[in-house]
Amino acid sequence: EIVLTQSPATLSLSPGERATLSCRASQSVSNYLAWYQQKPGQAPRLLIYDASNRATGIPARFSGSGSGTDFTLTISSLEPEDFAVYYCQQRSNWPPLTFGGGTKVEMK
Amino acid sequence: QVQLVQSGAEVKKPGASVKVSCKASGYTFTNFYMHWVRQAPGQGLEWMGVINPTGGSTTYAQRFHGRVTMTRDTSTSTVYVDLSSLRSDDTAVYYCARDRNTYDSRIFDYWGRGTLVTVSS
Repeated sequence: EIVLTQSPATLSLSPGERATLSCRASQSVSNYLAWYQQKPGQAPRLLIYDASNRATGIPARFSGSGSGTDFTLTISSLEPEDFAVYYCQQRSNWPPLTFGGGTKVEMK
Repeated sequence: QVQLVQSGAEVKKPGASVKVSCKASGYTFTNFYMHWVRQAPGQGLEWMGVINPTGGSTTYAQRFHGRVTMTRDTSTSTVYVDLSSLRSDDTAVYYCARDRNTYDSRIFDYWGRGTLVTVSS
């Protein structure tokens, strides 16, 4: 089973700042990595798939990069609605599909 | 528009079974695989398995083998997850999540709102 480790666990930032979230895989997942955003009481929302492709309707301030075992989600300038928990997910080696433990982006 | 409407919250005793439904609309039901993902309170996301609505074939996460069954009813565009021998650590919100593509790409683009299952004596 591929383990995804996200860091940091919590990121405290102000609106307008840049957020950089990391996801590291226990073995290569090629570029088969997705990112989801989850707000309290809501279902997750697909942001990025295959490491760097924005899903439909996702603003350009969200970008993804990486391949192999190291991936990054960048939010170029935080908007108030971006404060949430972010999860990475791999689809390379399955079953099972696996998620990272999440990074909470909170307002400083 | 795509909608996944899940059944309501359940409270079950340890050892019982629960069946959660997810009714799809706004697209051709048989064209997209459906996954189930759960989330324990305050915890992360855990993938349970996937069903192909066309033929009903399934793939489950090993840790649920023998306890989980996923089925579908094409006449009502509904998928179901049945979890048996419930334990307290099965307490979670259960989500259905549609695959993004018309093959099993294992990317989830639409999600239901979730069904809270509470296991308590």
